[in-house]
Amino acid sequence: QVQLVQSGAEVKKPGASLKVSCKASGYTFTNYGISWVRQAPGQGLEWMGWISAYNGNTNYAQMLQDRVTMTTDTSTSTAYMELRSLRSDDTALYYCARGGGGWHFDYWGQGTLVTVSS
Amino acid sequence: EIVLTQSPVTLSLSPGERATLSCRASQSVSSYLAWYQQKPGQAPRLLIYDASNRATGIPARFSGSGSGTDFTLTISSLEPEDFAVYYCQQRSSWPLTFGGGTKVEIK
Repeated sequence: QVQLVQSGAEVKKPGASLKVSCKASGYTFTNYGISWVRQAPGQGLEWMGWISAYNGNTNYAQMLQDRVTMTTDTSTSTAYMELRSLRSDDTALYYCARGGGGWHFDYWGQGTLVTVSS
Repeated sequence: EIVLTQSPVTLSLSPGERATLSCRASQSVSSYLAWYQQKPGQAPRLLIYDASNRATGIPARFSGSGSGTDFTLTISSLEPEDFAVYYCQQRSSWPLTFGGGTKVEIK
């Protein structure tokens, strides 16, 4: 069965960087892209960006594109999301999801809680 | 950017009642619209894709309709487990966007 398993919760200070992983299993990793979606406390869903696991092409949300980098490691079927220069309003639950790039989000990771606080 | 506006923000209904949720796009998304359900403490779950196709394992009481700019998610008869927040999402163009959500609560 398809599974996306994310890395654990993180606490970061303002200005620091964050890297969250998302390990995929149960399907051919390079056949689908991975999107990252975040959800601030009590708020809705915000799409952050997408990466093709086939060729590494990316598309980022404009408001994050200067601070975010998405990568994949096809040898381990793992996607990564790095966010730099963290601010308090980056505090959120971060999800990876299979999809984007012409596909809906059919499978989701369990979420990674990121807290940015001094 | 395509803005998705969901209405109502909150829907108060009783089990067994019919729920009708709306999602309106600021420009045409063709049929490239999906619906997700999210319960507290859980990741979103895909219900409907491409406007009217039920995802694997989704009960038949969930149905989607619409195309272009106006879409509807209908739950024909609410079960206790259906009280949750519902989001629409478009994949017609970058950036991908979500609606603000509709909370279906118990009346």
